[in-house]
Amino acid sequence: NAGVMQNPRHLVRRRGQEARLRCSPMKGHSHVYWYRQLPEEGLKFMVYLQKENIIDESGMPKERFSAEFPKEGPSILRIQQVVRGDSAAYFCATLGEGKTEAFFGQGTRLTVV
Amino acid sequence: DAKTTQPTSMDCAEGRAANLPCNHSTISGNEYVYWYRQIHSQGPQYIIHGLKNNETNEMASLIITEDRKSSTLILPHATLRDTAVYYCIVRVGNSNSGYALNFGKGTSLLVTP
Repeated sequence: NAGVMQNPRHLVRRRGQEARLRCSPMKGHSHVYWYRQLPEEGLKFMVYLQKENIIDESGMPKERFSAEFPKEGPSILRIQQVVRGDSAAYFCATLGEGKTEAFFGQGTRLTVV
Repeated sequence: DAKTTQPTSMDCAEGRAANLPCNHSTISGNEYVYWYRQIHSQGPQYIIHGLKNNETNEMASLIITEDRKSSTLILPHATLRDTAVYYCIVRVGNSNSGYALNFGKGTSLLVTP
């Protein structure tokens, strides 16, 4: 996974709470992609960020979801007022040096109860 | 990006070659074929990619038909650890949307002893 770190690995939230998922790409890597994988489904692209900028958020739900990648620190995917349908695995990825392959983290499994 | 079609599942005996087909009949001239796999509950792993020539690396070979409408991923000597979901993805090599990948449902490969 080329050192892409995600935490927490597992997150349980009650309906209505906020979920914060963190992704730390390798040092010096400034591109982060977030994906969501619902049970029994393939991964769906959510958002693409470069440091401090959102480049493509075409896959993000219009409400309750936001993402950032500040100059210092990890990228954060924030889900406000979670609902049961938000239960999924959330993966982030960064690009390899040749920018032809993506390296994924191990994911955060969000369970909303 | 062009749509792909893969069989839902396949079996392969350990030590034999696993041949995973993918149809991408609407692929355009500047779109590459990528293969990723996802071993249970882990983040996806890049395997190989190609444009029109056959490609080989330490993990697998990629055979692309002359008309580029289909391809086959070959794992020459499958092991039990190759049991995973394999995703065939077609995407433009240099897209303004970066490296957003469109994962379908993939092929679930089961390698048996």
